[in-house]
Amino acid sequence: QSALTQPASVSGSPGQSITISCTGTSSDVGSYNLVSWYQRHPGKAPKLMIYDVSKRPSGVSNRFSGSKSGNRASLTISGLQAEDEADYFCCSYAGSTTFVVFGGGTKLTVL
Amino acid sequence: EVQLLESGGGLVQPGGSLRLSCAASGFTFNSYAMSWVRQAPGKGLEWVSSVSGSGDRTYYADSVKGRFTISRDNSKKTLYLQMTSLRADDTAVYYCAKVTGLDWYGNYYFDYWGQGTLVTVSS
Repeated sequence: QSALTQPASVSGSPGQSITISCTGTSSDVGSYNLVSWYQRHPGKAPKLMIYDVSKRPSGVSNRFSGSKSGNRASLTISGLQAEDEADYFCCSYAGSTTFVVFGGGTKLTVL
Repeated sequence: EVQLLESGGGLVQPGGSLRLSCAASGFTFNSYAMSWVRQAPGKGLEWVSSVSGSGDRTYYADSVKGRFTISRDNSKKTLYLQMTSLRADDTAVYYCAKVTGLDWYGNYYFDYWGQGTLVTVSS
């Protein structure tokens, strides 16, 4: 069982918006603004999509946004496109012993 | 273009050893910490280990501490993971990942990843 809890799957139609949740605890998500999100297409290398809760690396579409409230972080994808179909993983800093913990991953299906 | 290419995975018996390698290109290798992250079948990602850009500081998850050793050869732009006393629960795809800063401490993001190499521990 992963340290952070994500829904196993979400789906949406092209053009719609979806949100993927990532629930942690006061020891990780709730205590640090050090949440990141990764996208992984089948057989491909994971890609950093969001860091520091809501910042986007250069080159990542502004259709991707991140937020956090309490122990829960969220990734929102607006204007869904077929190419967004992938697995998404959240990650949070969890202190100087554990360092980082990940979620179990969410499979996004674009209908 | 940043590229990370893992190799060395395979089938190994419980109690055995294996060394993974990750060849890096497209960036100043010794200026960035590097990490190994794994994903066991049907499970989420798990951070395994990190090493600073100079190689003098290493960090390990409790699940591998004392059994795995991370190292790097900056002259060869290559990252390694020496795995010993392997167990069935070490079975996973192992990813090499570039960290966003010189040291793992204070930089907890992976901005580039390889495609992974599969390690299977089974008799």
